Amino acid sequence: SQQGEEDPQALSIQEGENATMNCSYKTSINNLQWYRQNSGRGLVHLILIRSNEREKHSGRLRVTLDTSKKSSSLLITASRAADTASYFCAYPNFGNEKLTFGTGTRLTIIP
Amino acid sequence: EPEVTQTPSHQVTQMGQEVILRCVPISNHLYFYWYRQILGQKVEFLVSFYNNEISEKSEIFDDQFSVERPDGSNFTLKIRSTKLEDSAMYFCASSEVNRGGSPLHFGNGTRLTVT
Repeated sequence: SQQGEEDPQALSIQEGENATMNCSYKTSINNLQWYRQNSGRGLVHLILIRSNEREKHSGRLRVTLDTSKKSSSLLITASRAADTASYFCAYPNFGNEKLTFGTGTRLTIIP
Repeated sequence: EPEVTQTPSHQVTQMGQEVILRCVPISNHLYFYWYRQILGQKVEFLVSFYNNEISEKSEIFDDQFSVERPDGSNFTLKIRSTKLEDSAMYFCASSEVNRGGSPLHFGNGTRLTVT
């Protein structure tokens, strides 16, 4: 599989439900980040989790990181129509400055 | 909240022409980046810039591309002779720290269409 794969590729849920997106990667990392992209707009940083952290919360967002499985998940609780967007995981390879972005999950919240 | 601004929002150019995409990073940030996103595809790293020089670049960033910080506020990406496959959204970003250790702040992008 490709580096920075996310699943599902697309997700549609009813407003108020929880949305879970997953990200897998292949390299060693010191942190993993999640970004949101509204259609036709730039990426907005949501949360950063460091490699020595297993879970992190920010408002309705909960991120987990399992470095042994090289995977991360983003949970959005009590979804709202405004959460409709594409969500990307991103991580730096050790020693590199660049972020490698995942393929993204397109989330649609149905009012 | 300070933000990264990019101009123009949309640029249409003919194949073979030169284009310059402009960005104003957040004022106290020291690291600057260009990424691009071909429609419906992944966000791809092009180049990072620190202390007035390129610190890292990808295979995409060939001799047709160049970056410059002509003054204390602007950061530009130049494509010397555009190709059809250069059509994409180009995003500028900045950060306080390098090594991927801090979040990137992105602009809203320039949609480049090469005809």
